[in-house]
Amino acid sequence: GDSVTQMEGPVTLSEEAFLTINCTYTATGYPSLFWYVQYPGEGLQLLLKATKADDKGSNKGFEATYRKETTSFHLEKGSVQVSDSAVYFCALRVVNNDMRFGAGTRLTVKP
Amino acid sequence: DGGITQSPKYLFRKEGQNVTLSCEQNLNHDAMYWYRQDPGQGLRLIYYSQIVNDFQKGDIAEGYSVSREKKESFPLTVTSAQKNPTAFYLCASSIVLTTDTQYFGPGTRLTVL
Repeated sequence: GDSVTQMEGPVTLSEEAFLTINCTYTATGYPSLFWYVQYPGEGLQLLLKATKADDKGSNKGFEATYRKETTSFHLEKGSVQVSDSAVYFCALRVVNNDMRFGAGTRLTVKP
Repeated sequence: DGGITQSPKYLFRKEGQNVTLSCEQNLNHDAMYWYRQDPGQGLRLIYYSQIVNDFQKGDIAEGYSVSREKKESFPLTVTSAQKNPTAFYLCASSIVLTTDTQYFGPGTRLTVL
């Protein structure tokens, strides 16, 4: 079935460090891919998305590129801030099917 | 402001009791969803609804029930049949079922005492 695998956390970085959170997927169709962010005690917020191969989603300095050849959608940010501390979820959706979420990766950024 | 509200934020229940979690949206979305989140795990789909008076089971519907009498409301009842109900519950909505983006409420943390 359709599924998402993302790197296990927690990830701890210093402020201004480079961030990569890996995400790979398995899908029978042509999924849309998403990154959601969850701040402590809150629901999920859409961070970025890409709907077809080679699309790049970007928002708030975060980027992810839909790589069909490697079935990946890795999240990157060039310089993280303390306010980026949160749990990040990779997700996919195939048309007419459910959203499938990864297990989440907790990021802690220290000043 | 449009959005999704869930209440209460924290809920405590004694074993053997049913409890209902509220979810309201004013986004005029047709589709609504309930997810369960456990520590270190992704979200798992409990129930979803495409339109009023229609709903379908998700991956882990056992021990839960829902209703969709109004477009803006999709309450979830956690019954005494749910063996391990302590979790964080998230409600979401999307324009229609087949639309990519889901919008989430702030969640309700349920603890069974």
